[in-house]
Amino acid sequence: DVKVTQSSRYLVKRTGEKVFLECVQDMDHENMFWYRQDPGLGLRLIYFSYDVKMKEKGDIPEGYSVSREKKERFSLILESASTNQTSMYLCASNPGDRHNSPLHFGNGTRLTVT
Amino acid sequence: GENVEQHPSTLSVQEGDSAVIKCTYSDSASNYFPWYKQELGKGPQLIIDIRSNVGEKKDQRIAVTLNKTAKHFSLHITETQPEDSAVYFCAASSSGGTSYGKLTFGQGTILTVHP
Repeated sequence: DVKVTQSSRYLVKRTGEKVFLECVQDMDHENMFWYRQDPGLGLRLIYFSYDVKMKEKGDIPEGYSVSREKKERFSLILESASTNQTSMYLCASNPGDRHNSPLHFGNGTRLTVT
Repeated sequence: GENVEQHPSTLSVQEGDSAVIKCTYSDSASNYFPWYKQELGKGPQLIIDIRSNVGEKKDQRIAVTLNKTAKHFSLHITETQPEDSAVYFCAASSSGGTSYGKLTFGQGTILTVHP
């Protein structure tokens, strides 16, 4: 069974801090995604990656960057955290071998920026 | 870009009743429509999906219907049980020939099934 593991369940950071959210998947998936989940807004795509060192902007990339140095790991970086980045962050992956493969999500990291 | 609207935002039913959640989408090129269920403290999990060459798909107590002309699709849950209580998300994607077709999600529906 696919496992997507997000390193932290809860994080509390201060405004201006640099924040790293880590995600690891164990099924050799090519594609990895970072979503942000807010009540009433659903899930919004921040960035995705379809290969090592490759990245594409999603719908809301402002204030975020990503890193994919190894196939199994996809990191989301908040260069200077702000209070409006308080949210639930979800990592997901899917294989690159066919169109529209289902996404496999991690259990999320709830980030609070004070 | 694609825009997906989902209704209702909350839905409360009695155990054994049916539940229906509706979504509309804007991009006529969208061709893949999954539904995800998110239980408390967990990430969303795919429960059923439909592709644009199919009008209806059923899996035990859940079914999804798609009307491409009207650009809407619906999730139907029959004989609801308390364990169906969760947040449900619809999504739409236009793969454009890639495997990482970008999913656009609806706003979510909180379904509560009362015993």
